[in-house]
Amino acid sequence: KAGVTQTPRYLIKTRGQQVTLSCSPISGHRSVSWYQQTPGQGLQFLFEYFSETQRNKGNFPGRFSGRQFSNSRSEMNVSTLELGDSALYLCASSPGRLAGKETQYFGPGTRLLVL
Amino acid sequence: SQELEQSPQSLIVQEGKNLTINCTSSKTLYGLYWYKQKYGEGLIFLMMLQKGGEEKSHEKITAKLDEKKQQSSLHITASQPSHAGIYLCGADIDSGGSNYKLTFGKGTLLTVNP
Repeated sequence: KAGVTQTPRYLIKTRGQQVTLSCSPISGHRSVSWYQQTPGQGLQFLFEYFSETQRNKGNFPGRFSGRQFSNSRSEMNVSTLELGDSALYLCASSPGRLAGKETQYFGPGTRLLVL
Repeated sequence: SQELEQSPQSLIVQEGKNLTINCTSSKTLYGLYWYKQKYGEGLIFLMMLQKGGEEKSHEKITAKLDEKKQQSSLHITASQPSHAGIYLCGADIDSGGSNYKLTFGKGTLLTVNP
């Protein structure tokens, strides 16, 4: 099976702009989680989607949003970019049906640089 | 304070040496995951531990979960340069066992010198 894919891999934006990142999960996986990784804060949970519904949410401002499509592909959007949004954004997928018994498989990440 | 504390933060070992990385939680663990990351890349799944006392091994890597101590350890035997990278522990400590919202430690940077 193909792994989790993320596009684009690298992105440069300026403050105030918005950005959309895409994640395609492993075939058959219906849960997609998003994480932000920075040197200072480490890896932090953003949100998780299952069957097109946001099921879990982390402690990030409303500028961070996401959605999931019927084919389980997910997008996350960051509006009004700030310098502190520069980070590696990772998505992970899992089947989504057996809480507590599943593994999250991660994609290669999208490196976002905000200037 | 960090909910998942990893120690040490960094480790430099000579090839062939054994090493241990620890991960301690301030809250009840509902499953513990170990991942490896090459700098700036995605996370590679290593092992998942669910029950207290559980121990799993893959090639030269062994992980154990001590539920009472809310702690897990990752042990590498006879380290090789291919083991170099950042080791991250992740756990569900907020959503009561759903495992879809993981909290991660800050990571342990392992360098293996040939």
